Amino acid sequence: DVKVTQSSRYLVKRTGEKVFLECVQDMDHENMFWYRQDPGLGLRLIYFSYDVKMKEKGDIPEGYSVSREKKERFSLILESASTNQTSMYLCASSLGSGFGNNSPLHFGNGTRLTVT
Amino acid sequence: GNSVTQMEGPVTLSEEAFLTINCTYTATGYPSLFWYVQYPGEGLQLLLKATKADDKGSNKGFEATYRKETTSFHLEKGSVQVSDSAVYFCALSDQTDSWGKFQFGAGTQVVVTP
Repeated sequence: DVKVTQSSRYLVKRTGEKVFLECVQDMDHENMFWYRQDPGLGLRLIYFSYDVKMKEKGDIPEGYSVSREKKERFSLILESASTNQTSMYLCASSLGSGFGNNSPLHFGNGTRLTVT
Repeated sequence: GNSVTQMEGPVTLSEEAFLTINCTYTATGYPSLFWYVQYPGEGLQLLLKATKADDKGSNKGFEATYRKETTSFHLEKGSVQVSDSAVYFCALSDQTDSWGKFQFGAGTQVVVTP
């Protein structure tokens, strides 16, 4: 089974801090994704990566950046945390790329971030 | 663009009742359709999927049929258990999107009482 591991289950940070959320997958997946989950809004895509050092903006990239130096690791960075970034953050990975790809997403257990 | 709409919750029902969660979609390309489940304190898990029209996905007693004519993918289970209490997400992945991005519905919370 694919395992996607997020380094922290709960984080509490102060406004203005730089925050790193780490995600590691163990199945050699090309694609990795960061979502945030908020009540009533479902999952919204922040950033994704389809290869090492490659990244693409999702639907809500403002206030975030990402890093993918190794295939198995995808980091989400909050450059200067704000209270409206309090949320559940979910990392996911999937196989391959290319047209016709219907590979499912595999999720980590999430990191609940509170910014005070 | 692509989008997914699913019925709002919470849906509260008794054990052994019939469950239906409605999901409709809009897509510019040719989507694959998925249902994910999220148990309390956990990430999302794939429940079932369907990749072409009239396909039926099934798992753990849950079923959903890909209906292209009505752009729907409703989730059903004939007899729910307390352990089915969770949040259910309908999602699509456009097969013409080379990055395999997903669109998710807002989620439907299901509460099953003994």
